[in-house]
Amino acid sequence: GAVVSQHPSRVICKSGTSVKIECRSLDFQATTMFWYRQFPKQSLMLMATSNEGSKATYEQGVEKDKFLINHASLTLSTLTVTSAHPEDSSFYICSARKGLPTDTQYFGPGTRLTVL
Amino acid sequence: AQTVTQSQPEMSVQEAETVTLSCTYDTSESDYYLFWYKQPPSRQMILVIRQEAYKQQNATENRFSVNFQKAAKSFSLKISDSQLGDAAMYFCAYRIADSNYQLIWGAGTKLIIKP
Repeated sequence: GAVVSQHPSRVICKSGTSVKIECRSLDFQATTMFWYRQFPKQSLMLMATSNEGSKATYEQGVEKDKFLINHASLTLSTLTVTSAHPEDSSFYICSARKGLPTDTQYFGPGTRLTVL
Repeated sequence: AQTVTQSQPEMSVQEAETVTLSCTYDTSESDYYLFWYKQPPSRQMILVIRQEAYKQQNATENRFSVNFQKAAKSFSLKISDSQLGDAAMYFCAYRIADSNYQLIWGAGTKLIIKP
């Protein structure tokens, strides 16, 4: 199997506060993890690629100082939304790359962030 | 630029019948992977099926099979004996084989199962 957990599943916070989302690969090691944002009725939008032990690679238009990513171990990556604002409200999904032979991304269940 | 196109925003099928979801892609690469992911109302993204471009044989997983036409750059998903639990958004995705492993996503097709 290839199980990825994400915590919390839902979070509500006040504007200006920071929120941390954890992504864990439970039964495999993942040197690469990905963070996505999904707007209602749309496809996934890649925010950044997280590599264990190195800095994340952010997609164009994603503020690295606002969306802090840490991939400190082979099973854990975190996304911190700093100074959150209502426009950051969204569904955030992480995925972890499982290597050969499948070399496939497996996804966490997502986190619904609501910023008041 | 690589792109993935799903031309059917929504499809419906009667329970127990067969339905085919379309996906085309554009690439100049010769070695790549193609995927179908399912996202039910729970929003958990689930891998349905995976195809390596170098393999001519179409991938199958139980009731799910693909029709991979490399020359036509087409990768359709066939769901046989549709079940109510198959109702979901289905996303087609592409990845270059030797890359940073990023997926290129289609816009998705909403599949409705009629009881």
